[in-house]
Amino acid sequence: DAGVIQSPRHEVTEMGQEVTLRCKPISGHNSLFWYRQTMMRGLELLIYFNNNVPIDDSGMPEDRFSAKMPNASFSTLKIQPSEPRDSAVYFCASSFLKYQETQYFGPGTRLLVL
Amino acid sequence: EDQVTQSPEALRLQEGESSSLNCSYTVSGLRGLFWYRQDPGKGPEFLFTLYSAGEEKEKERLKATLTKKESFLHITAPKPEDSATYLCAVYGGSQGNLIFGKGTKLSVKP
Repeated sequence: DAGVIQSPRHEVTEMGQEVTLRCKPISGHNSLFWYRQTMMRGLELLIYFNNNVPIDDSGMPEDRFSAKMPNASFSTLKIQPSEPRDSAVYFCASSFLKYQETQYFGPGTRLLVL
Repeated sequence: EDQVTQSPEALRLQEGESSSLNCSYTVSGLRGLFWYRQDPGKGPEFLFTLYSAGEEKEKERLKATLTKKESFLHITAPKPEDSATYLCAVYGGSQGNLIFGKGTKLSVKP
């Protein structure tokens, strides 16, 4: 298996622009997670999907962030409009189940908002 | 509040110098504790899962242990290739999500 695939790997944009991050989970995994990692706050869960349905989005910082999972093999995280404080590494992870199951992480998207 | 604290934040060892990393947690209803390794520019890579106090897992030079309040990652005779950030995470608490510590950055010098 190719593992979790994320694109783009790096994104540089200007404040106010729309940013779309993409993720392909491991085939057969039912749960998908979006995380954000910064030096100050470490890894934080943004949103969690189970069977393509958003279950917990309490970690989404504000309405500028949205996430979708139109099918079992694809998810997007969108930031509109982007702000400099959104600069971070965004990870997608997937697991077979949620509880007590190992999450496998993608390589991340490094976002810089100027 | 559910919390995971890792110490030290950074650790420098000489090759062959054994040591331990600590992960202390306060979470209601622990369902599992995970150790991950993260190399620069990469996503976290799974190492171990521990589910109950007294459980131990080993992989090459790494050994993870779990008590009711903390977990240790013991590194025996480390090599430079063990240099990485080691993350601890717990499943449990009111939200039932995976809560990560901020990690311990390990550097092993030859």
